[in-house]
Amino acid sequence: GAVVSQHPSRVICKSGTSVKIECRSLDFQATTMFWYRQFPKQSLMLMATSNEGSKATYEQGVEKDKFLINHASLTLSTLTVTSAHPEDSSFYICSARDGASEKLFFGSGTQLSVL
Amino acid sequence: GDSVTQMEGPVTLSEEAFLTINCTYTATGYPSLFWYVQYPGEGLQLLLKATKADDKGSNKGFEATYRKETTSFHLEKGSVQVSDSAVYFCALGSQGGSEKLVFGKGTKLTVNP
Repeated sequence: GAVVSQHPSRVICKSGTSVKIECRSLDFQATTMFWYRQFPKQSLMLMATSNEGSKATYEQGVEKDKFLINHASLTLSTLTVTSAHPEDSSFYICSARDGASEKLFFGSGTQLSVL
Repeated sequence: GDSVTQMEGPVTLSEEAFLTINCTYTATGYPSLFWYVQYPGEGLQLLLKATKADDKGSNKGFEATYRKETTSFHLEKGSVQVSDSAVYFCALGSQGGSEKLVFGKGTKLTVNP
């Protein structure tokens, strides 16, 4: 079946540094990708929606200058957490929509810990 | 806004036990409803879905019925296996699609032999 590769699976960084998370669709073209965040014992919350070649659409309350999303190709989207702070520590998950089948596939997530 | 309330876990069962994970929702319009499963170390996978009232989604022995009158979509399986151990997420798709999913908090299920 279709696979979405998310990397890294776990990252620890110092406060003030930037972290990039990659999301790749391995065997399909992803016309739309979604980025979610999940705090412990909370729901997955949609952060932003990105379409290939255009700017991401952010959900209310999500800072676009802090969470930079790039969807430069049909197989790759990146989320960069800029100037990370401990409150950004969370589990981040991407999903990608197959443009042909319209099906949605999820990455396995990235656990970010900011010290 | 739309929301999903899901039974809190963790849930621990013995093999061959009956499973129910409750899920209720609040939404405007007529959403589609989904159950996703996340096995350890893997991404979320669609388990089953229902797109309109009284629809029953089923897959791998799991079932859930879209109940508009009780705004529920409870997940059931008659006889769980160790391999069913995973985290289960209930979700709704706004405006009937999966363009934007609203998730529950997830319920961790552990099945012991």
